[in-house]
This record gives sequence, structure tokens and C-alpha cells, in this order.
Amino acid sequence: KNEVEQSPQNLTAQEGEFITINCSYSVGISALHWLQQHPGGGIVSLFMLSSGKKKHGRLIATINIQEKHSSLHITASHPRDSAVYICAVATGGSQGNLIFGKGTKLSVKP
Amino acid sequence: KAGVTQTPRYLIKTRGQQVTLSCSPISGHRSVSWYQQTPGQGLQFLFEYFSETQRNKGNFPGRFSGRQFSNSRSEMNVSTLELGDSALYLCASRRTSGDYEQYFGPGTRLTVT
Repeated sequence: KNEVEQSPQNLTAQEGEFITINCSYSVGISALHWLQQHPGGGIVSLFMLSSGKKKHGRLIATINIQEKHSSLHITASHPRDSAVYICAVATGGSQGNLIFGKGTKLSVKP
Repeated sequence: KAGVTQTPRYLIKTRGQQVTLSCSPISGHRSVSWYQQTPGQGLQFLFEYFSETQRNKGNFPGRFSGRQFSNSRSEMNVSTLELGDSALYLCASRRTSGDYEQYFGPGTRLTVT
């Protein structure tokens, strides 16, 4: 069993829909990251969470430390949101040693 | 401020050869981590450097090595290349080893034939 599990693996949505991507982890963490990867490979860090909730534009990320679960929400989805979304956790004292989920491939249709 | 840069962006090598990839972190950042991304295994941690010292190493064979220079630039080397080493190699920089926020470079896509 992977230490970081994401669901769903693939997600197709219509423009304007509310989207939720889930991440569960089985290890103790010091931080959880949500990353976005577009075709071509470049990765952008969307959020870093150690507790609670963060919002940036149409994106919202939440984390429940007790349940070892995090969600990434996209409100009013747009075709430009199409990308792979990756959850990653930092364990122990090393923030550079990340354990990654397999990613969720999101496709938003106009 | 310029972002993380990686060179080269694309590389084709033959089995048995060796390769060196370079990563220049954001100015002022002293921590560099390297990751390998393959379709089968996804993203995996290779190693982390801070102030020219390797802080952590992932579960990769000794053919994978790295170093960091005094200007924080980092290189990783893969010797005796295998077909399975074909991957996107990403580096990410942070201001310090305790800093949480990571900034990723565009990656180097290595193809081994």
C-alpha cells in the first residue's frame, strides 16, 4: 500500500463544475503539498499545509491531521485547470524529502 | 527573481553511458532536492543537499550520485545508464533546509536508448 493515496486517478469535468480531489496518507507528516503539473512537465506548488485550510483564488485546500486526509477543491472549473494534481507529504525533519501520490489527471471540457 | 533552472532540458543517451544534469536554484536558496518521475513509479525522491552536504538520500542505487557547489548549484550524475533510467528529472530549491516551500525547475527529460 502506498503511503500517499490520491483519488480519483482520472477526473473529467464540465467547465464551471466544482471539483474535489482527495489525498490520504498513512505516515506522520510535518507538511502536505498540493502540486500542479501541466503537460511538458513543469511543476507548480499550489499549497503547503500543516493544518486547517488555505484559499487562493478558485482553489481551496484543506487538511485534517487526525484523519490523515486532505482535499483540493476547484470552484468554477475552467479548461485551463486541466493538469495533473499531485499530493506530496514531508515527513520528519526533512522538508526536501517528499513522498508523492500518483496524481490525479483532471480534464475540464468547455 | 529568476526561477530554478535546469540544464539540459532534453538529453538522449545510450545504455552504459553516464550523464550529468545541472540545477541552479533561485538566488539565495541554499537547499536543493532532486526527484525522478517515471510513468510507472511516479515521482520519487533522489537526494537533498544543503550547504554542499547531502542531507538525505532516497532508495536509489549507487549509480545515482550528486553534489552541491558553494554557490548552491547542484549536479546529479547517473553512471552506467540503464533503459529504466529514462525519466524526467526535477530539482526543487528552498531557502533553507527547514523551509517548507519548494520551487521546482522545468526538469530534464532523459531518454536512454
